[in-house]
This record gives sequence, C-alpha cells and structure tokens, in this order.
Amino acid sequence: GAGVSQSPSNKVTEKGKDVELRCDPISGHTALYWYRQSLGQGLEFLIYFQGNSAPDKSGLPSDRFSAERTGGSVSTLTIQRTQQEDSAVYLCASSSEDRTDTQYFGPGTRLTVL
Amino acid sequence: AQSVSQHNHHVILSEAASLELGCNYSYGGTVNLFWYVQYPGQHLQLLLKYFSGDPLVKGIKGFEAEFIKSKFSFNLRKPSVQWSDTAEYFCAVNAAAGNKLTFGGGTRVLVKP
Repeated sequence: GAGVSQSPSNKVTEKGKDVELRCDPISGHTALYWYRQSLGQGLEFLIYFQGNSAPDKSGLPSDRFSAERTGGSVSTLTIQRTQQEDSAVYLCASSSEDRTDTQYFGPGTRLTVL
Repeated sequence: AQSVSQHNHHVILSEAASLELGCNYSYGGTVNLFWYVQYPGQHLQLLLKYFSGDPLVKGIKGFEAEFIKSKFSFNLRKPSVQWSDTAEYFCAVNAAAGNKLTFGGGTRVLVKP
C-alpha cells in the first residue's frame, strides 16, 4: 500500500516568510508525528497527534511553529517568520495507535531559508 | 529526559567485514528500542525493534541487535556487510509509556567494494 507522503519535497524561502509543509499519513494510521533532521541537531521530535487527543507539542522549538491535523488524517506544519536556523529536513511519520507499532517515515521536505 | 548516544559517527569497512554499531540510552524506566536505516537518497526505514522478550532481535537484511538492560545498550550487528549496506544508521528509543522517538546522532557507514 501507499506509504507516508509529504509535500513539497523541497522548499526554498526567504527569511521572514511563512511556510506550510504537508503530510499524508498511511491510511488508517491514527498517530502522526513530525520530526526535524538538521546538521547541528540530528533528528528531533517536534509534535505528535493521536486520534482526537490533544497533541503533544513538547518538541516545538518556538511559538513560530505550529501544526494541525484535520479530520484525523492530513497534517500541516506551519513555520511563521522563517529564520535561517529553520533550514532542515522535516520528516513526518505515522503509526497505528498501538505504542509498539513501527513509525513509518515519509521522504521528508527539505526546507532552505535564505 | 531520555537521551541516546551513538559512539561512532563514521565507520568505513570492506565488504565481508563484520559490523557492530554501539548505542547507549539514558532512561530509568522501561523502553522500546529501534534501529532505523537511511540509504542514500531514501527515507528512514525500520531495521529492527525490541519491545520485550528475547533480548536478541533479528531484523531485515541480516541485521541483529542485542538489548543489554544492565548496560543500557542496544548494539547493532551484522556478521558480513555488503556494499549495499552503505547508509546512515540511527538508534532510537521511546519510553514504554510514550510514543515520541528520541534518536541518536546517527552513524554513517561506508562499505568499500
């Protein structure tokens, strides 16, 4: 079946602009995660959605970052007033509600802030 | 807070050599342990995972890992590597009561043909 998809695959933006990154999880997966992969920080957790529960936002680095998940499926990560340090690959993963289930990762969106 | 350390940042070896990548974690409670791999130009894929039971876990492509609770370790091994094993390998942990993964810094493995 189809895996996790993300769009765009690459995004170049100017400092100060807002960007939106999209994630389509595997059909039927109730859990959705956003991670960030950057040279200096490695792979970092950002935010986690599980069903209708309140999201775990504990990994968001600043209030410029937000995410939503509409209808329990597609998720959008928004970065406002982008800074150069936001340049990274943003990864989305999904899994079933079972904590022991594997998280399946998408190909990522490479964000470059000029 | 949980943390994960991968001691080797870069490993270079020849085909047929044995591979062992170290992973240590810091967390006082029960954990779930994972190894993910990222081949060049591809996305993260699961190699293997440990939740409970036999501490020696076998994964895809001939990889295995051993959970040693007393050492807080989950080292990855492969007896004989191939050129196609060239990739970056990530160890990850989540608390058994949680879901978010904490990753190690990754180890880049280059297998020379």
